[in-house]
Amino acid sequence: QQQVKQSPQSLIVQKGGISIINCAYENTAFDYFPWYQQFPGKGPALLIAIRPDVSEKKEGRFTISFNKSAKQFSLHIMDSQPGDSATYFCAASMEGGSEKLVFGKGTKLTVNP
Amino acid sequence: EPEVTQTPSHQVTQMGQEVILRCVPISNHLYFYWYRQILGQKVEFLVSFYNNEISEKSEIFDDQFSVERPDGSNFTLKIRSTKLEDSAMYFCASSPFREKLFFGSGTQLSVL
Repeated sequence: QQQVKQSPQSLIVQKGGISIINCAYENTAFDYFPWYQQFPGKGPALLIAIRPDVSEKKEGRFTISFNKSAKQFSLHIMDSQPGDSATYFCAASMEGGSEKLVFGKGTKLTVNP
Repeated sequence: EPEVTQTPSHQVTQMGQEVILRCVPISNHLYFYWYRQILGQKVEFLVSFYNNEISEKSEIFDDQFSVERPDGSNFTLKIRSTKLEDSAMYFCASSPFREKLFFGSGTQLSVL
């Protein structure tokens, strides 16, 4: 119930293409869904986050789509660039409840020039 | 831009030894966390700390683990008697409020 399932494990995209990473959760008490970006040798950095009261949030080339009924959310990276090559983690937490972030297993994105 | 600083970046220790991992959170942040990432696996929550006490801990955070904020700026994680399975990257994080976490670059702990 505490798991967040992430797919795919790895993704290769051409420069300019769209990268899509998917996550699913079981616990309906989750109400905060961030995405983290991690470069080699660095800690995860918050990229974008969404709450279940909206179905989409966009920040620049990064968009989160959220489907509350399906308990799924996804990250879309438009016009993917080689500098986007990193590992991406989805996560979930419960405001007002457990404060821990539950992370997905990560997706290693490679954007080829 | 302020950042969370962790030292050392790498720590090698023998099984059964005590280790202390150090972190300097971003000043004026109120919430502090330790997470770990075993190679190739997901990032896992260990403990959260607020108002000078543990606010939540995971099942991983057993009696061998402890945290301290000894001087108002540092935040430490101590493992009393390390095991082979404690080998992981340990991340410290801080937050001005719950949820928006800023992670450090991590300490790679290798237990031999």
